Amino acid sequence: EAGVAQSPRYKIIEKRQSVAFWCNPISGHATLYWYQQILGQGPKLLIQFQNNGVVDDSQLPKDRFSAERLKGVDSTLKIQPAKLEDSAVYLCASSPRGSYNEQFFGPGTRLTVL
Amino acid sequence: GIQVEQSPPDLILQEGANSTLRCNFSDSVNNLQWFHQNPWGQLINLFYIPSGTKQNGRLSATTVATERYSLLYISSSQTTDSGVYFCAVYFYNQGGKLIFGQGTELSVKP
Repeated sequence: EAGVAQSPRYKIIEKRQSVAFWCNPISGHATLYWYQQILGQGPKLLIQFQNNGVVDDSQLPKDRFSAERLKGVDSTLKIQPAKLEDSAVYLCASSPRGSYNEQFFGPGTRLTVL
Repeated sequence: GIQVEQSPPDLILQEGANSTLRCNFSDSVNNLQWFHQNPWGQLINLFYIPSGTKQNGRLSATTVATERYSLLYISSSQTTDSGVYFCAVYFYNQGGKLIFGQGTELSVKP
């Protein structure tokens, strides 16, 4: 069974530029999550989707971050414009439908903002 | 407030040694996961364990939900065990949000 796929793996941009990350969850997983992991810390949830609906985006900085999962499968996370403090690893995870299920993570995208 | 605390923050072992990592949590939990983040950043699932004890090879985990802690045991450590170990918790009153501790960074020397 294929795992969670993410691209790109690495991205370097200048501050105030925009960037987008892509995630394809495990086949059949209804729930998709985006996390931000700053160096030396544990991952922090940004947004959770159930199919194509948002369940929780309370920690998403909505002035600059946006995410969508239009067809309930793959998802895109965008940052526009990027700030220096957005430098982090962005992790995508998925789980079967329902709450409190085991989550499986992709390899992440390492973003550096200069 | 809601907290997940891991100890120790850092651990250095000689290959072959055993270790115990601890995760304390501040409130009632619905479920708990242990992960290993390898040096390339990939989070690898180790255990999904709301209570009781599970074993997988040289690793085992025990969660005592009533006392709000979980333990991860690594026996006969190998250099490939190096990396950061995270405990992550689903609290009952936080919806479906998985909340991570700060991790334990393990270094196994040959």
